[in-house]
Amino acid sequence: GAGVSQSPSNKVTEKGKDVELRCDPISGHTALYWYRQRLGQGLEFLIYFQGNSAPDKSGLPSDRFSAERTGESVSTLTIQRTQQEDSAVYLCASSLGTMNTEAFFGQGTRLTVV
Amino acid sequence: GENVEQHPSTLSVQEGDSAVIKCTYSDSASNYFPWYKQELGKGPQLIIDIRSNVGEKKDQRIAVTLNKTAKHFSLHITETQPEDSAVYFCAASISSNTGKLIFGQGTTLQVKP
Repeated sequence: GAGVSQSPSNKVTEKGKDVELRCDPISGHTALYWYRQRLGQGLEFLIYFQGNSAPDKSGLPSDRFSAERTGESVSTLTIQRTQQEDSAVYLCASSLGTMNTEAFFGQGTRLTVV
Repeated sequence: GENVEQHPSTLSVQEGDSAVIKCTYSDSASNYFPWYKQELGKGPQLIIDIRSNVGEKKDQRIAVTLNKTAKHFSLHITETQPEDSAVYFCAASISSNTGKLIFGQGTTLQVKP
């Protein structure tokens, strides 16, 4: 597809379980972002990948959160030992990575921890 | 730290009226300021952006202004229509050599028919 693809679109998990969220960026986009959006709230920056540079992990809320990206392709966001406060929509975006270019967002993964 | 403040959090206007949303940013090195529209159940979509070498940009009913000295920028929507109802986010790039974006908290715009 031409856009950013995220899977699954919805995920319900039990408290304490681990979850893995996937993002397929637009082909050729070197930059990839993960954001968290709680219900009715803004976009909370989590992590930013740019090419082969070390990722900017400054937004990860705790050590239960981690993200990987293989080259300039797929990224996975992993949340270990999920808590109810992790319930949110997790949005992925990608861009060409050069200065001042548009970030394209996926539809998001709605995570519900019960 | 890096921060973007957005106001108001909610805005209700009559169809045909104008709507203005304002943002301020903290990083003086920011030089790219996009605006995104998010409809229910969808990801944010870029509607207009402005770079620091210009003070104003217009695209049909949408315009954005930038005041780098005061570190604030605004979105103006004229002749609003019900389909403009959505959540709008401003964002600012952090430092001049990366694409990292910090977003405002969002403005829920309601256009009443």
